[in-house]
Parts: sequence; C-alpha cells; structure tokens
Amino acid sequence: EPEVTQTPSHQVTQMGQEVILRCVPISNHLYFYWYRQILGQKVEFLVSFYNNEISEKSEIFDDQFSVERPDGSNFTLKIRSTKLEDSAMYFCAEGGASGRGEQFFGPGTRLTVL
Amino acid sequence: AQSVTQLGSHVSVSEGALVLLRCNYSSSVPPYLFWYVQYPNQGLQLLLKYTTGATLVKGINGFEAEFKKSETSFHLTKPSAHMSDAAEYFCAVSVGGSNYKLTFGKGTLLTVNP
Repeated sequence: EPEVTQTPSHQVTQMGQEVILRCVPISNHLYFYWYRQILGQKVEFLVSFYNNEISEKSEIFDDQFSVERPDGSNFTLKIRSTKLEDSAMYFCAEGGASGRGEQFFGPGTRLTVL
Repeated sequence: AQSVTQLGSHVSVSEGALVLLRCNYSSSVPPYLFWYVQYPNQGLQLLLKYTTGATLVKGINGFEAEFKKSETSFHLTKPSAHMSDAAEYFCAVSVGGSNYKLTFGKGTLLTVNP
C-alpha cells in the first residue's frame, strides 16, 4: 500500500512565525484533509480540499490557516502567525477515489510553538 | 452533525483476554464507521471500516467490529489480546454530505498486561 508522507516530522518555531507543513499524497485520490491532535486530546478536523478548492473548514481553521496544492502534487498547510495553542500534531489524509470516507493518514508533523 | 462517543478512556486487559472497546455514534444519515489505531509517536492506521453490506466487519490484527444500527454502536473486539495491541484506538464516523470528513471519538488507550 503506498504511503502518504509528511515533512518535516517535527517543527519548532517561535510564536508569531509562519510555518508551512507539507504532505505528499498518493496519486489518484480526490479528497485531501488536514487534521490536528493536541497532545492528549482527540483528532480534530481542520479542512477538506477537493478539486483544488477548499470544500469545508472547521471553526479552528481561521484566517491564520491556508491550504494549497502549489504544484499539483504536494499539499501544504500554512499557519501565518503561530500561537502557542497551535502546538499539536498535524496529520494530512487522503480519501480514496471510491470516497465513502476511508482515509489514509500520513505520519504527522509535530509542531511546537515556543 | 455527527458525533462519536467512546466509553472508557482507558481499558486494561491481560494478555490472552478478550478486548472490547466501545463506540457509539450519532448521525442523522447512514454513517460510515471506522476504527483507527495509533501507536506511540506514530500516525493513524486504519483497523477496519463499515460502509455498507455485512454488519460484522473484520480488520487487521484479528480485530473485528459489528455495526448495530438499533443501538447506534460500533464496538471493537478481539478474542485474545496480545502485548503488541497496546495502543490508542479511535472510533470515527463520516457521512457523504460532509465531504466524508472524519469525526473522531476521544480515543481509548488499551493496556495489555502480561
């Protein structure tokens, strides 16, 4: 089974700095997602991306967040000005072409905001 | 909107004993249901899924789950626990009208004692 990859595995940044988290998806998938998991808490939906557009975003996904597919393959999550509470594990995921919600997760990027 | 409740944030069993992790969901439309496993410092791995058809689904590592619509439940079981099963388990639900985004429960930490 092909794997979704994410870079970097761990990012440390200062409060107020911009970070870009990257995801390399498996080809032929239609839906892309970002989730986050604050330490000790459940996994939370951030945003879904379909046909190169945001299809849905959660309350967490405010103006500080953005997503792109800059080169048609890589999938990025940008946090414009990080806050302490952005410290979390960020997962990208893809939905298969068959839909139905089955998603393949990357290993995650641990973001630490100091 | 859909939601998931996992009863028991921590379950401890002896090696060889039955594993039962409980999950109840709420959804106004027919759901797709999933169990994911997360090992320490790793991403989310799909254990099994229910989309349509047979309500008893089998997954990897000897796990299975049964979809019971009347009880709005999707409990995860394994007849005999192994030390390697120690991990965090997340139940999740998605529906087609919401871009198949996953809504997760808070997770259940499974400890297996020798």
